[in-house]
Amino acid sequence: EDQVTQSPEALRLQEGESSSLNCSYTVSGLRGLFWYRQDPGKGPEFLFTLYSAGEEKEKERLKATLTKKESFLHITAPKPEDSATYLCAASLNDYKLSFGAGTTVTVRA
Amino acid sequence: KAGVTQTPRYLIKTRGQQVTLSCSPISGHRSVSWYQQTPGQGLQFLFEYFSETQRNKGNFPGRFSGRQFSNSRSEMNVSTLELGDSALYLCASSLTPSQASLYGYTFGSGTRLTVV
Repeated sequence: EDQVTQSPEALRLQEGESSSLNCSYTVSGLRGLFWYRQDPGKGPEFLFTLYSAGEEKEKERLKATLTKKESFLHITAPKPEDSATYLCAASLNDYKLSFGAGTTVTVRA
Repeated sequence: KAGVTQTPRYLIKTRGQQVTLSCSPISGHRSVSWYQQTPGQGLQFLFEYFSETQRNKGNFPGRFSGRQFSNSRSEMNVSTLELGDSALYLCASSLTPSQASLYGYTFGSGTRLTVV
């Protein structure tokens, strides 16, 4: 059974305190690994797609990496505006997305 | 350009009633997917439509149905509502299903359905 697991469930950081979020996956026929950001009351906002092990992508303070079994989202020197729920999702052979439960990040000033 | 528009934003229904939710994708996008989001289960795939045809369906009972029109707008219907159907229903669009694997899906803000 396809499974996407995110850890930790919640992360409280001080402004400037870098950290990493984990997304481990057990799926057959992975087409891509997505990272989304979701703010309260809004739909997920696309951040990155990773396709192959060893790939890395960056956007401002965020950097996503991919191995054969997991992906990491690194947040470097976070600011309060980085507070959100970060979701990872595996795009399967039939193009549907299988989402993890998300990691809620709170950054205190 | 306009994003994915979902209407209504909020809805309160009584158990046993039925409800129809609407989604207008980004102009030019022909693929529309629907997801249910709850605190306990997270985001779960409901179904996907492309060029008016349902391509995929998730593990939801037959009370959940959908359709897509020739202008790519989509509706989903839930009949005989249960308390457990209370959730945020999200619609996502992309040019095509394969394009989504490159550029990701664009989500709407969702419809918050409360069943009482």
